[in-house]
Amino acid sequence: AQRVTQPEKLLSVFKGAPVELKCNYSYSGSPELFWYVQYSRQRLQLLLRHISRESIKGFTADLNKGETSFHLKKPFAQEEDSAMYYCALMRGGGNKLTFGTGTQLKVEL
Amino acid sequence: DAGITQSPRHKVTETGTPVTLRCHQTENHRYMYWYRQDPGHGLRLIHYSYGVKDTDKGEVSDGYSVSRSKTEDFLLTLESATSSQTSVYFCATSPRTGDHEQYFGPGTRLTVT
Repeated sequence: AQRVTQPEKLLSVFKGAPVELKCNYSYSGSPELFWYVQYSRQRLQLLLRHISRESIKGFTADLNKGETSFHLKKPFAQEEDSAMYYCALMRGGGNKLTFGTGTQLKVEL
Repeated sequence: DAGITQSPRHKVTETGTPVTLRCHQTENHRYMYWYRQDPGHGLRLIHYSYGVKDTDKGEVSDGYSVSRSKTEDFLLTLESATSSQTSVYFCATSPRTGDHEQYFGPGTRLTVT
């Protein structure tokens, strides 16, 4: 069965510190993974997807098939990065997503 | 953002009453989804639609039904609401196979007393 695990409910870092939000998955096929973000009082929105290998707002995420991980990283946290982050795995047809339980990132001054 | 709306945005209802939530999109997206968001569970898929009158169950479909009579609207019905269905409900859309991004509505906070 498909599963996405985000082990940290809350991650607090100081401004300027590196950030790593962990995501592990289990999936029998070739995975397609995403990070979605929900800022306070805003809608859930796509942050990045692994197939595009892009950097958005300074965030990157590399798919590691050997470790079945898709950790989200940023070298220097900013206050505006404070948000809820969800890792998601696409499964089957219909573009369906399986979400992790989310990690609340809090960037402190 | 204005392309996907949900109504109502907030609702309080009593156990045993029927409730219908509406998702409306102006994006002409093929796929539509209903999720519930609960602490410790993240977002879980309730039902989804892959076209007009074409729907299927998600992970947590018990107690919920859906209908999609036209592209723009996807309705979620709780036939007899229970306290365990207190949650925040999100609608999402996706344009077509191959474009896997989902676009989310603002959410509906439902409280069942």
